[in-house]
Amino acid sequence: QSMLTQSPSASGTPGQRVSISCSGSASNIGNNYVYWYHQQLPGTAPKLLIYKSSQRPSGVPDRFSGSKSGTSASLAISGLRSEDEADYYCAAWDDSLSAWVFGGGTKLTVL
Amino acid sequence: QVQLQQSGPGLVKPSQTLSLTCAVSGDSVSSKSAAWNWIRRSPSRGLEWLGRTYYRSKWFNDYAASVKSRITINPDTSKNQFSLQLKSVTPEDTAVYFCARSEQWLGDWGQGTLVTVSS
Repeated sequence: QSMLTQSPSASGTPGQRVSISCSGSASNIGNNYVYWYHQQLPGTAPKLLIYKSSQRPSGVPDRFSGSKSGTSASLAISGLRSEDEADYYCAAWDDSLSAWVFGGGTKLTVL
Repeated sequence: QVQLQQSGPGLVKPSQTLSLTCAVSGDSVSSKSAAWNWIRRSPSRGLEWLGRTYYRSKWFNDYAASVKSRITINPDTSKNQFSLQLKSVTPEDTAVYFCARSEQWLGDWGQGTLVTVSS
């Protein structure tokens, strides 16, 4: 059972805006930054999309944005494209566990 | 540019020990600002952080509660690499295993190794 809670699936049509949520607790999201990764093929390394809750690494399109409020966070993707179809994971450091914790992942389908 | 190159067997028998190595280039495993992690992904458990090793004037380890009794992560400063050993594996340990470097976040990842636990 994942420490962070994500909806297992999300979908949208090209051009739409979709949002993926991530819920945690005071010891992880409530007290630390949230990071978002996507993984387009199961055997490939996850790619960082958002760091420090709302910052984009260079090379990540500004269609991707992150936010955090209290013990929840969200990733928004605007102008949805077929290549955005992937699994999306949130992550945060958990102070009580002294461990990185992940969400269970959200499979995004572009219809 | 930090690069992580994983190596190790892709098939392990039940009850045996899974062993993987992650060779580091572009940084030192003895860095006082980085940590060196192992993470796995399986269909049933998604992404799961397993543990890390890091140097802050001495070596420290943190391990996930789910594997704490079975896991060891060791640095090898002579080869600038770190390793994962997971004892007494079962088919539940079948997963793609990744090594990763973290400072403030898990930023640089290895290529992944599919490890299947089967007789």
